[in-house]
Amino acid sequence: RKEVEQDPGPFNVPEGATVAFNCTYSNSASQSFFWYRQDCRKEPKLLMSVYSSGNEDGRFTAQLNRASQYISLLIRDSKLSDSATYLCVVNKDEKLTFGTGTRLTIIP
Amino acid sequence: NAGVTQTPKFRVLKTGQSMTLLCAQDMNHEYMYWYRQDPGMGLRLIHYSVGEGTTAKGEVPDGYNVSRLKKQNFLLGLESAAPSQTSVYFCASSFDRADTEAFFGQGTRLTVV
Repeated sequence: RKEVEQDPGPFNVPEGATVAFNCTYSNSASQSFFWYRQDCRKEPKLLMSVYSSGNEDGRFTAQLNRASQYISLLIRDSKLSDSATYLCVVNKDEKLTFGTGTRLTIIP
Repeated sequence: NAGVTQTPKFRVLKTGQSMTLLCAQDMNHEYMYWYRQDPGMGLRLIHYSVGEGTTAKGEVPDGYNVSRLKKQNFLLGLESAAPSQTSVYFCASSFDRADTEAFFGQGTRLTVV
């Protein structure tokens, strides 16, 4: 079983829609969690950290469920510029483990 | 403020040749990492460093060596390149812990023929 698993997609979503991604992790001792965004042929960039209490940054909401070992990302009112690959990232013992990513395309 | 800079951006090697990838950061970060990214595999950690003079193995260290002689530089070496090392290599750094933001370089596209 992979340490971090994501649905690879692709998700093709009309502009303005709401889209949600989930990610599961296998190691219950994982310590911190993130969503990164990677545009085509570019480097990953931090989108947001994920906290147990849930956190929101504009149109983006992230949630962590430690009991079920999954992380979610919700994007509301999607924009064309949201088209990218979204990487679920888990930290344990000072090492970041990346999921393979979920590819999102926003359709005009 | 350049952030994280990788050199070179592209390279084609013949099997058996050696090369060094250079990563430089100007943010005074303690932690530095080397990843490779392959289709369907995601980013996999090769080696990492938690401070000047220290290195540690990641998930896929075989065939690679690293050095961190200066805090701002993290070098990745391939002693005898193999076609299986064809990949996109990313360097990253973070301030002092893995749970702070990791900043990535623009990547090095390496092809081994």
